[in-house]
Amino acid sequence: EDQVTQSPEALRLQEGESSSLNCSYTVSGLRGLFWYRQDPGKGPEFLFTLYSAGEEKEKERLKATLTKKESFLHITAPKPEDSATYLCAVQVIRGGSQGNLIFGKGTKLSVKP
Amino acid sequence: DTAVSQTPKYLVTQMGNDKSIKCEQNLGHDTMYWYKQDSKKFLKIMFSYNNKELIINETVPNRFSPKSPDKAHLNLHINSLELGDSAVYFCASSPRFGPVATNEKLFFGSGTQLSVL
Repeated sequence: EDQVTQSPEALRLQEGESSSLNCSYTVSGLRGLFWYRQDPGKGPEFLFTLYSAGEEKEKERLKATLTKKESFLHITAPKPEDSATYLCAVQVIRGGSQGNLIFGKGTKLSVKP
Repeated sequence: DTAVSQTPKYLVTQMGNDKSIKCEQNLGHDTMYWYKQDSKKFLKIMFSYNNKELIINETVPNRFSPKSPDKAHLNLHINSLELGDSAVYFCASSPRFGPVATNEKLFFGSGTQLSVL
């Protein structure tokens, strides 16, 4: 069964304290891995898509990397406004056609000033 | 302008009632979705429509019936509401249904929090 596991469930950081969020996946065939940010009371907002092992994407203080089994979201010198829940999702290949997005439970990040 | 808008934001109702959630997107996308986020925060797909045609129905009870009058709208009607239906329901859209292309992504609405008492 296709599965996405995110860790930790919650992460508290001091402003400026860099860290990483993990997304491990077990899927039959990966078409793409997505990172989304979700603020309280809002829908997820797209951050990155990664397609193949070794790929990296960066946006401001965030950097996403991908291996054959997991993805990391590195947060460098975070600020309080980075506080949110970060969701990982995978899109799988089923029968040669697109499958659904399978989401993890997310990591709730809190950054204290 | 809001890209994907859904109404209402909050919906509180009694068990057994019938209710609807409306969704509209002004992005010109071909594909729209309904996702459910339960109390454990898992976000799971319920339905996907491509150009008004049902593409995905993920083992959702037939009390849930999506309706797409045109490709900019995807409404969700729920009959005989149950306690377990309480969740946040998200509408989303994407440019097309097919292999993931560069910069292809889902645009989500802000959610409808449904509470069944």
